[in-house]
Amino acid sequence: DTEVTQTPKHLVMGMTNKKSLKCEQHMGHRAMYWYKQKAKKPPELMFVYSYEKLSINESVPSRFSPECPNSSLLNLHLHALQPEDSALYLCASSQVLAGDYGYTFGSGTRLTVV
Amino acid sequence: SQQGEEDPQALSIQEGENATMNCSYKTSINNLQWYRQNSGRGLVHLILIRSNEREKHSGRLRVTLDTSKKSSSLLITASRAADTASYFCATDDITGTASKLTFGTGTRLQVTL
Repeated sequence: DTEVTQTPKHLVMGMTNKKSLKCEQHMGHRAMYWYKQKAKKPPELMFVYSYEKLSINESVPSRFSPECPNSSLLNLHLHALQPEDSALYLCASSQVLAGDYGYTFGSGTRLTVV
Repeated sequence: SQQGEEDPQALSIQEGENATMNCSYKTSINNLQWYRQNSGRGLVHLILIRSNEREKHSGRLRVTLDTSKKSSSLLITASRAADTASYFCATDDITGTASKLTFGTGTRLQVTL
């Protein structure tokens, strides 16, 4: 299995809602990432998990809360989001320190905050 | 903050022609990678070049890296309509025990029949 699976593919939520984005991989990768991408812009790193521990937080607002329950799963919990948080959220995985193999990305969750 | 700047921002060519995209970055890197993204969906890893390599080939792709100029280029030969996509360079930096991939601004490639 060489895929990263993200659910849901689309999500519309109100500013008072709580929702979660899910990401799963079965490639044995021990590093997982969340990226945010606005339209016509490059992806921007949000969080890095290495061996299930949060290694990098790129000063992301606390209304985004990541969780890595095990080596295959990565969640992003959303609460009290703003309309400007509407974006494509991408999950990726890789070997720790990536090596020569690059990152594997999921297809993303397109989030709309209303 | 963005690590790389790419040019051109947009490129339109005809099928069969070659496409060249350039990337410049600012700090030292572990490796540099190129990704393709179709219609705002997931990114697909194309090729990785390590900091001690100067050129690498994969099928119709050729990547060069000049660490003294902090620049890289991606050449797609004999382009096809299916190559229409956005292409991003990304620099891989190791911070402690984690790897951090930072993307350039991207080039939108349009290949017409």
